[in-house]
Amino acid sequence: NAGVMQNPRHLVRRRGQEARLRCSPVKGHSHVYWYRQLPEEGLKFMVYLQKENIIDESGMPKERFSAEFPKEGPSILRIQQVVRGDSAAYFCASSPHTLNTEAFFGQGTRLTVV
Amino acid sequence: QKEVEQDPGPLSVPEGAIVSLNCTYSNSAFQYFMWYRQYSRKGPELLMYTYSSGNKEDGRFTAQVDKSSKYISLFIRDSQPSDSATYLCAMTQADSGGYQKVTFGTGTKLQVIP
Repeated sequence: NAGVMQNPRHLVRRRGQEARLRCSPVKGHSHVYWYRQLPEEGLKFMVYLQKENIIDESGMPKERFSAEFPKEGPSILRIQQVVRGDSAAYFCASSPHTLNTEAFFGQGTRLTVV
Repeated sequence: QKEVEQDPGPLSVPEGAIVSLNCTYSNSAFQYFMWYRQYSRKGPELLMYTYSSGNKEDGRFTAQVDKSSKYISLFIRDSQPSDSATYLCAMTQADSGGYQKVTFGTGTKLQVIP
């Protein structure tokens, strides 16, 4: 998983604040995936983006959550008005093509909502 | 019923033992089958992926797929304490948008005791 950089590694937010999670994919990868991991539920797909486009956001809640992958810069997962239930580890993965059998994961951002 | 079922463990084995990790699935549309290893508080790391039924070997690891039974396995020979981690199975199916969408199992926690 070398090369996928996520920051911050740990993020603490009070209820009602905004959380911004950043993901820089492996150089040359144009496909980015965001997952959420809870202890008893494993990795859950949230959203799949290619440069400047959202391809599949079927796993992302319609309210408060948004994602982008601009032409320049990292992919951003934004959670507005966070609630305690948003506390989880959020992982980003990148791949060089749509066949994401060789996706590389970042180390994750652990969000804690207090 | 979940699409992918995986025994959460924990599974404890002595060093040098052969480890068998398993997943079952219900969706016959799954095409690619992967195994990831995740150390505590780290991102998942791809170990192997396979497409067809049969075995695939890589060092001490062997992945086995039985599509007729909807059953996949990962065998670890000569297990080492450094193999202690959570092992996630994952499977892909073609999405209507033309990309391979990944579904993860919940993971099996393995502990190899020296």
